[in-house]
Order: sequence, then structure tokens, then C-alpha cells
Amino acid sequence: DGGITQSPKYLFRKEGQNVTLSCEQNLNHDAMYWYRQDPGQGLRLIYYSQIVNDFQKGDIAEGYSVSREKKESFPLTVTSAQKNPTAFYLCASSTDGNSYEQYFGPGTRLTVT
Amino acid sequence: QQQVKQSPQSLIVQKGGIPIINCAYENTAFDYFPWYQQFPGKGPALLIAIRPDVSEKKEGRFTISFNKSAKQFSLHIMDSQPGDSATYFCAAIIPGFQKLVFGTGTRLLVSP
Repeated sequence: DGGITQSPKYLFRKEGQNVTLSCEQNLNHDAMYWYRQDPGQGLRLIYYSQIVNDFQKGDIAEGYSVSREKKESFPLTVTSAQKNPTAFYLCASSTDGNSYEQYFGPGTRLTVT
Repeated sequence: QQQVKQSPQSLIVQKGGIPIINCAYENTAFDYFPWYQQFPGKGPALLIAIRPDVSEKKEGRFTISFNKSAKQFSLHIMDSQPGDSATYFCAAIIPGFQKLVFGTGTRLLVSP
């Protein structure tokens, strides 16, 4: 059963703590993406990776970091430098960097208090 | 300008009605325009997409109309059903960058 998994579905953290969100795909896709979704603002790109060991900043990368050590995995760390971390985080993948079709995971809702 | 403007923000129609969601863009370099459907607590799912060399595309009850000269495109849902109640996002992409630019979303409610 192929797809994108994100865990956990809900995550709670105290302000000042770093937190890592998991994203795994078994679609054999080369490209992976992280988006942030806030009410009334659509989806905004945080980071993307077109190939293993390479990634680029998106439109709102400040306060976030990623790694791409394996093709299947693209974890996102929300650092304490991110001023408004509470949001719904979505991971996506596409066959390669030239594909226009992105497939999304179920998301992780992060709440920081 | 890498923005896609979407309207309305929310929409309520009766079952069987035809909701229409509109999007507009400025950057003529965009060359692929997908629509995503998102149910509460879930990730968006690709619904239908169009390229600017086509004026209309239909897939089942969903139709995209594209007006290249006006730089506008819209989603029509024929014979809408309560199960279509979801948030719909339009998006656009520039070739070579592979970054989707999303509209702000339209929350659709189809009443029984």
C-alpha cells in the first residue's frame, strides 16, 4: 500500500523546544516538500528536496530545518527560532523535480504553548 | 508576482447546485494549474489540472474553465453533493521551479 505517512497526527510542545516532524514515503519519489497551512492563508512552502542529500529553502524557511539522508524520508525540525510554530504541517512528494503532480500526506497538527 | 488570488472564501450551495470557484494570476510564466480538494484533518488531494493551451477540461462532475487572456481560471462542480463539502485550493506552477503557489482556499458546503 503506497503512500506518504506523517507522524504523529497531533503534536504538542512547550515554547522554546525544538520538535521534529516525520515524513516517510514508499512511492519511490525523488522530490519531497514541506508546507505549512494556516487558516485563510492557503499552503506555503517551507523547504523542498529534489534529490537525496540536497534541499532548498522555500518561501518561509526561517525557523525550520530539514535533512534528506534517505530517499524515503524528509524530516522537518521546527526550531525555537520559529516565532509562530502552531500550524498544520503537510509533507508532499512528486516523482521527480520535473513532475507537476504533488501527492500529500495526511498532515501533522503542531500546537506550541 | 507569484500569487494566485482565489474567491470566494466560502460558499454554500444546495445539493444539485453548481458551485463556481474563481482564481486569478499575474505571472504569465505559470503553465500548469491544478485544483486540490481537502477534507478536514486530511492532506489535499489532486482533483483536476489544466494547462494554458486548453480552455476547458472535464473530469466527471468537475470542470476547469481557463481564460488565458484574462489570466483567470475557475472550477465548476456539476450536480454537487454533500460529499463534495470540502476546502478547494487552486494552484499554479512555473516550469523549472516545481514550486506550487496556492490560492487561499474556498470552503464549500453543500447542503442536503
